[in-house]
Amino acid sequence: NAGVTQTPKFRVLKTGQSMTLLCAQDMNHEYMYWYRQDPGMGLRLIHYSVGEGTTAKGEVPDGYNVSRLKKQNFLLGLESAAPSQTSVYFCASRTAQKSNQPQHFGDGTRLSIL
Amino acid sequence: GIQVEQSPPDLILQEGANSTLRCNFSDSVNNLQWFHQNPWGQLINLFYIPSGTKQNGRLSATTVATERYSLLYISSSQTTDSGVYFCAVSYSGNTPLVFGKGTRLSVIA
Repeated sequence: NAGVTQTPKFRVLKTGQSMTLLCAQDMNHEYMYWYRQDPGMGLRLIHYSVGEGTTAKGEVPDGYNVSRLKKQNFLLGLESAAPSQTSVYFCASRTAQKSNQPQHFGDGTRLSIL
Repeated sequence: GIQVEQSPPDLILQEGANSTLRCNFSDSVNNLQWFHQNPWGQLINLFYIPSGTKQNGRLSATTVATERYSLLYISSSQTTDSGVYFCAVSYSGNTPLVFGKGTRLSVIA
């Protein structure tokens, strides 16, 4: 049982390049989330999804796009990377079947934009 | 939206000491989680505790929802307890979590 898997774990980009971060979960969870963590701060929500084919904006969505074409996958895209997007990105998922269940997090993707 | 404040921001302990971390939140919530972020950056679920008290080994947590705070107790601290402890809350189980800025704990031998 892998839980929540994020790919890649590390990446360095040049300003203006594009890339996609992949989050995969094998727990059949309905809800999935993308957060970013900057130094000295807690995690902030970028986008989230409450089910296959649905997405919604979080607290800091600008510069990012997401897609949830399959229930188990949640993709985060950077169309034109900027240095301000240098951060650690975390994906999480949660079941909708019970109300008293926690979110489960991946190990993070460390992204540097030069 | 909900505001989450954690205190203290930094804490240094001698190995074997006890500590209490606090999380205050600005609105009624039905979901509260405590996490430990280890030195490798991994987020470890500690407790799902929207109310009441739970214990897991040397760690325990209490949430008083009516007074909008939660406490995380660490007893007989060990160097492996070092890292950042986050509190995160949401209005319900299916709404996104709002994180505090964390308490950075350093346990020295």
